[in-house]
Formats: sequence, structure tokens, C-alpha cells
Amino acid sequence: DGGITQSPKYLFRKEGQNVTLSCEQNLNHDAMYWYRQDPGQGLRLIYYSQIVNDFQKGDIAEGYSVSREKKESFPLTVTSAQKNPTAFYLCASSIDASNQPQHFGDGTRLSIL
Amino acid sequence: GNSVTQMEGPVTLSEEAFLTINCTYTATGYPSLFWYVQYPGEGLQLLLKATKADDKGSNKGFEATYRKETTSFHLEKGSVQVSDSAVYFCALTETNAGKSTFGDGTTLTVKP
Repeated sequence: DGGITQSPKYLFRKEGQNVTLSCEQNLNHDAMYWYRQDPGQGLRLIYYSQIVNDFQKGDIAEGYSVSREKKESFPLTVTSAQKNPTAFYLCASSIDASNQPQHFGDGTRLSIL
Repeated sequence: GNSVTQMEGPVTLSEEAFLTINCTYTATGYPSLFWYVQYPGEGLQLLLKATKADDKGSNKGFEATYRKETTSFHLEKGSVQVSDSAVYFCALTETNAGKSTFGDGTTLTVKP
């Protein structure tokens, strides 16, 4: 079955450490997205990529980094510069960067030890 | 910039009640409009969509009509079930914008 796989589902980080969240899709979609979800605040866009080897900052990119070396993969690194990283992170993809709907993974919940 | 404003929650209804969740938007062009649903601990799933004015999206008994004159896309269902309990998000995407704008979500709880 085609879809988006995020791993791990739960992740714990010590303060001062970088951590990378995985996102893989086998939908052959060009566009991919990372969102952060905090309780009662909806989705906030971190980074997005419309095509391989290209990506743009979203609304809250500070303290995060991404890469898009392969069409199917869009990993997100939460760096030590992100002061409040505890959140639910969602990855999504869409066929292209036009007005198509997004397909979401099941998320990764990141917590600070 | 673009924005989406949703009815504040939480919304609590009894089973078989009528549901309306209001959504209004601001956009510079001619967006496509979407409703997504999120069940606890999961990602969002597309519920329905409409791509131009006066289009009606429908799925699983839910409906929403793209109203350009009122810049609205209200979600309705005639008879809700306990299994409809979830968070509902209204969103818009403009052609070639490269990204979507989401509302803050409305939590629906349906009691037996």
C-alpha cells in the first residue's frame, strides 16, 4: 500500500542533542512538508520541499533543518538551537505544489528528558 | 497573506444531532478548500475538498460548499455518530503557492 511512514512514533531527546525524524513516502509525490502540532494551536509549517534538492523555510524554521536528496525522503533534524522541541511532528506529501490535497503520516511525538 | 478561521471548540453533541463547524478564509487568489480529520494519536486524513466556487465536497455523510461570496466552507453532517469524535481542520491551498494554510482545528466529541 502506498503511503507515508514516519519513524519513530515516540522519540526522547536529552537537552543539547540533535535528533532526526524520518519521513518516507512511496506515493511518487513531488512535494513534502513538515509541520509541528502543539495542543490547541493547529499545524505550523516548519519546512517544505516542492522538488528534490530544493526546500523552503516555513513559518517556524528556526532550530530545525531538512534535506531532500531523494524524492521519497524528507528527514527533519531538530537541533539543540530549538528551545522548546517537545511537540507532535507531522510529515505530509502532495502530488505537486499546486492545489492538491496533502497525505499525512501518523506523526512522531518528541519529548525532552 | 492567506488565513483560515475556524469555529472555536470544543463542540459536544449527542449522537444523531446535526453538526455545523464554521470555516471562513482569506486568500489573495482562487484557492482550493479542504476539510481534514484527525483521530487521536494519528495524522490528518482528507475528508473532503472543493476546488472552485459553488462546488460541494462530500464524503461519509459530511458536506461542505465553497461559498466565494461569503468566503466560507462550513462543514455539516445531518446525524453524527460517536465514531465522528475527532479534530476537524479546515485548510486552503492556492495554485502554485507550494503550501497550505490550516485553521486551528475544532474538537468534536459525540456522546451516546
